[in-house]
This record gives sequence, structure tokens and C-alpha cells, in this order.
Amino acid sequence: ETGVTQSPTHLIKTRGQQVTLRCSSQSGHNTVSWYQQALGQGPQFIFQYYREEENGRGNFPPRFSGLQFPNYSSELNVNALELDDSALYLCASSSGQVRSTDTQYFGPGTRLTVL
Amino acid sequence: DAKTTQPPSMDCAEGRAANLPCNHSTISGNEYVYWYRQIHSQGPQYIIHGLKNNETNEMASLIITEDRKSSTLILPHATLRDTAVYYCIGRGARQLTFGSGTQLTVLP
Repeated sequence: ETGVTQSPTHLIKTRGQQVTLRCSSQSGHNTVSWYQQALGQGPQFIFQYYREEENGRGNFPPRFSGLQFPNYSSELNVNALELDDSALYLCASSSGQVRSTDTQYFGPGTRLTVL
Repeated sequence: DAKTTQPPSMDCAEGRAANLPCNHSTISGNEYVYWYRQIHSQGPQYIIHGLKNNETNEMASLIITEDRKSSTLILPHATLRDTAVYYCIGRGARQLTFGSGTQLTVLP
């Protein structure tokens, strides 16, 4: 059984550019959640995808968007990058939909630096 | 999700039990208590979760008070590799709402 993987590991972009981050779910999981973790803070929920549809969103602007594919892998896209978007981006997968008992398992994260 | 309160930092001697407290006095009846930990710049690692009863797995034990207003995560024999930020989460929704957590430092 493979765990959650994310790519790339590190990324450097300049302000105004666009970025795409990728996540492969743990085997057997159909739900993917994305989180942003700024330096020194806890992760903040961006959104969740279940069976290719957005299934909940945190307090992030529309320039943060995502996709989930039929194999349940996922992408996080961020347009018009701002300096404050510099953070560790975490993907977590789980099985089922919205039940509280659906444990989320995290990938190693992608470190995005915006210059 | 219920608001949780944790001490910002704790130390523990290697080989001793580490007891990490969490206050979640506003937790509702259907919200689970989840614990994750995060070693520097890595993704959070799931440890354990519970609703009412005490739980134990290969990593830790979770003790939840009868009124469910607080809980304690116990690492029975802490090692240097257990040094991490530990997050207690009262989960009632699809997302995990992380607070500031407790920085546990295991000392040799």
C-alpha cells in the first residue's frame, strides 16, 4: 500500500505567476483535502474534493482552485501568486465523504516560495 | 470544530512517558478528538482518535475524561524521534482545524 505522495518537493515562483501542485492519494482513498501551512502556524484548510467535485472550501480566494481526477489524484492551482502564498502546501487523503471518523493521511508537502 | 487549548511547549526525558494535555470544553457529542504530530517541515502524521472511550494503538494511548472536556495523549516511552509539534483537534466537520499545538521536546 502506497502512501500519499506530492510533487514537486520544492518550488520557487515569482509574484504574479501561476503554479500547479500535484497529489496522489493513498491506495483505496477517494477524498483529497488541501491545506496551506505558513511558517510557524498550523495547517489551514483550503478545500476538499470527493469523487471529482469540490466538497467544501475554507476561507481562501477563488484564485486557489483544484481538480480531482478519476483515479482520485488531485491538483491545486494558484493564480496570480502573492508573496503571502509562500507556504508548505499539504495534501491529505481519506476514504468516504464527510464522516468525522474518516481519518486523513497527509503527504510530505510541497514547499512553495514566492519571490 | 471545537476549540482546543494546548500548552505551547513541554519537555520529556527520553524513555519516560510523555503526557500531553488538551482542553476541549466546547466539544459536542458527535465530535471526535484527533491527535496528529508534525516533525519539522514534514506532513502531519496521524496518531490516534477517539470519541468517548479510551483508545490505544501501537503509537500512543488517548485518555478522554468522562465529561469529554479534556483529553491526554500518552506516549508511553518517549524517544528522541518523538520530538515534534503535537496537535489536538476536536473534529466535527470535513476539515481538520489545527491550532498552535504543543512543541514536545524529548531530552536525552
